Amino acid sequence: EVQLLESGGGLVQPGGSLRLSCAASGFTFSNYAMSWVRQAPGKGLDWVSAISSSGGNTYYADSVKGRFTISRDNSKNTLFLQMNSLRAEDTAVYHCARGRMTPDYWGQGTLVNVSS
Amino acid sequence: DIVMTQTALSSPVTLGQPASISCRSSQSLVHSDGNTYLSWLQQRPGQPPRLLIYKISNRFSGVPDRFSGSGAGTDFTLKISRVEAEDVGVYYCMQATQFPYTFGQGTKLEIK
Repeated sequence: EVQLLESGGGLVQPGGSLRLSCAASGFTFSNYAMSWVRQAPGKGLDWVSAISSSGGNTYYADSVKGRFTISRDNSKNTLFLQMNSLRAEDTAVYHCARGRMTPDYWGQGTLVNVSS
Repeated sequence: DIVMTQTALSSPVTLGQPASISCRSSQSLVHSDGNTYLSWLQQRPGQPPRLLIYKISNRFSGVPDRFSGSGAGTDFTLKISRVEAEDVGVYYCMQATQFPYTFGQGTKLEIK
């Protein structure tokens, strides 16, 4: 069974940093691109970033480019999102998903709350 | 950026009746590789999104056959042949043909 478990969310002040993790199981992690998608409270889905299966290619939404960094550790079946210079508008539940062009399995998400 | 625009369902849907959701993109979603990366996702209350349909009309594993997708170019449709109580939620179309990937605003399905 494919499982994706996000962690690392929490309350952070504007300008602060957080590192999200997504632990994957039930499939060969190193064979799949991975994505991060967020959802602000009561709002729709917003694509954030994606990474190729090897980690050699990364992609970002303009709204996070230069502030967020996606990475992965295929030896530990884990996806990461390093978030710096956080803003109030980054407040959202962050979901990891398996795949890039067809995100087929999604985690429950972790809540990031950027507030003073 | 490609803008995805979904239609709202006109009213709550009666159990057992069909429902249809439309999604229009501001540009053609045909990728240079010949595929059209248009997906449909369902988000039930309190749940993460769930993939229903990919590349316009391919049903994902475990998705009931009452869900179907169609369309081409810039106009796409998700159809539910007979709505069931478990179909309540918000439905999103998503394009992954061009960066940044974008979603429609969501269409809420309510049962009468």
